[in-house]
Amino acid sequence: SYVLTQPPSVSVAPGQTARITCGGNNIGSKSVHWYQQKPGQAPVLVVYDDSDRPSGIPERFSGSNSGNTATLTISRVEAGDEADYYCQVWDSSSDHSCWVFGGGTKLTVL
Amino acid sequence: EVQLVESGGGLVQPGGSLRLSCAASGFTFSSYEMNWVRQAPGKGLEWVSYISSSGSTIYYADSVKGRFTISRDNAKNSLYLQMNSLRAEDTAVYYCARALYYYGSGSYPRPFDYWGQGTLVTVSS
Repeated sequence: SYVLTQPPSVSVAPGQTARITCGGNNIGSKSVHWYQQKPGQAPVLVVYDDSDRPSGIPERFSGSNSGNTATLTISRVEAGDEADYYCQVWDSSSDHSCWVFGGGTKLTVL
Repeated sequence: EVQLVESGGGLVQPGGSLRLSCAASGFTFSSYEMNWVRQAPGKGLEWVSYISSSGSTIYYADSVKGRFTISRDNAKNSLYLQMNSLRAEDTAVYYCARALYYYGSGSYPRPFDYWGQGTLVTVSS
């Protein structure tokens, strides 16, 4: 089955740029979606189809995807961005189709 | 306003059964694909199952295939998850999640734009 690999944690100072990676075999050929989850809350979609933002998501959130790595970039990080972030792809093969989530990355704002 | 409200969680013994429900409102339920996603305590997200808008296409995670059954009643704006032969490792918060509307372009199936607040299922003796 398809595996998505995320770093367990990323730390960044306020105002700086955070980059959260999501690794997978030839992930550049798939569409990657990103979710933000704060403690005790349901996840929120922040980027979909590699780089599109749902309405209401700040432009500070952006995404890219190429080769074996997709990246969620958060510019001008704020304290309120502290959360867990998950990447997601659809994996479809001849005998199986399923959604796959990465293990999640905890973003700490220093 | 889009709302998804899960119910039916609780404590169940290993080998037991439970039926989760998700009541949808604020949108045309019959036009949207739906999913169940779970999160074990302190762990990451795990997708459980998908159902198309008509109910004709269904997918399951390998971890629940043969034990869980997803269904929907578009007349009642409701999504269900019948869980049988429950195991300790099924202990989690279960979320229902709506998929983005598919306009015929972009990736498919679509990611999840609205989630409920979840219902806790605890499998323990």
